[in-house]
Amino acid sequence: QSALTQPASVSGSPGQSITISCTGTSSDVGAYNYVSWYQQHPGRVPKLLIYDVTNRPSGVSNRFSGSKSGNTASLTISGLQAEDEADYFCCSYAPGDTLVFGGGTKATVL
Amino acid sequence: QIQLQQSGPGLVKPSQTLSLTCAISGDSVSNNIATWNWIRQSPSRGLEWLGRTFYRSKWNNVYADSVKSRITINPDTSKNQVTLQLNSVTPEDTAVYYCARTGYFAEYCQAWGQGTLVTVSS
Repeated sequence: QSALTQPASVSGSPGQSITISCTGTSSDVGAYNYVSWYQQHPGRVPKLLIYDVTNRPSGVSNRFSGSKSGNTASLTISGLQAEDEADYFCCSYAPGDTLVFGGGTKATVL
Repeated sequence: QIQLQQSGPGLVKPSQTLSLTCAISGDSVSNNIATWNWIRQSPSRGLEWLGRTFYRSKWNNVYADSVKSRITINPDTSKNQVTLQLNSVTPEDTAVYYCARTGYFAEYCQAWGQGTLVTVSS
């Protein structure tokens, strides 16, 4: 149950796009289409952005999109806005009916 | 709308037992397509999944290897809630603890509790 690997930080200017990667193994990210992404502002509860690799819950902006290739999942934020400055976490279903999270990525809007 | 309300002490002494409760509204702890998870977050460990309980004809529990020897998650059907117990705590167990709901073939946290900061200190 090793944590998924995310970059510590990414940054971009308003209006640009940024992509956050989430690398696992053939046993978790690569094995299941059960990758989810969460946004967390300081002192707040994580908010679900993407589930099942590509799906957005109702109410989440279409500026957020997800994808997966092999053992790596990605979250792309397009049309970057100041309010997107937050921490982002990925999560995958894993063997033994467990869940594993990524270490988190701090997104900065320059 | 599913709501999860957490309660429990914010300070626990080393070697003692951490106990938290997650009260469920808008759903049933016995729902056979729901799964009830405990997750914690600390600056050093990030988000860490601890375990889950769920009902599929019988009650089942799954725990993370990192805490398997010390953790118990129990449903309380009479109060529609889930409890977490973590034994023999150390300062490394200091974290914000969350309960969260996932679903059967819906392995994402659809609802979260408000979080409880638990500090392990004498």
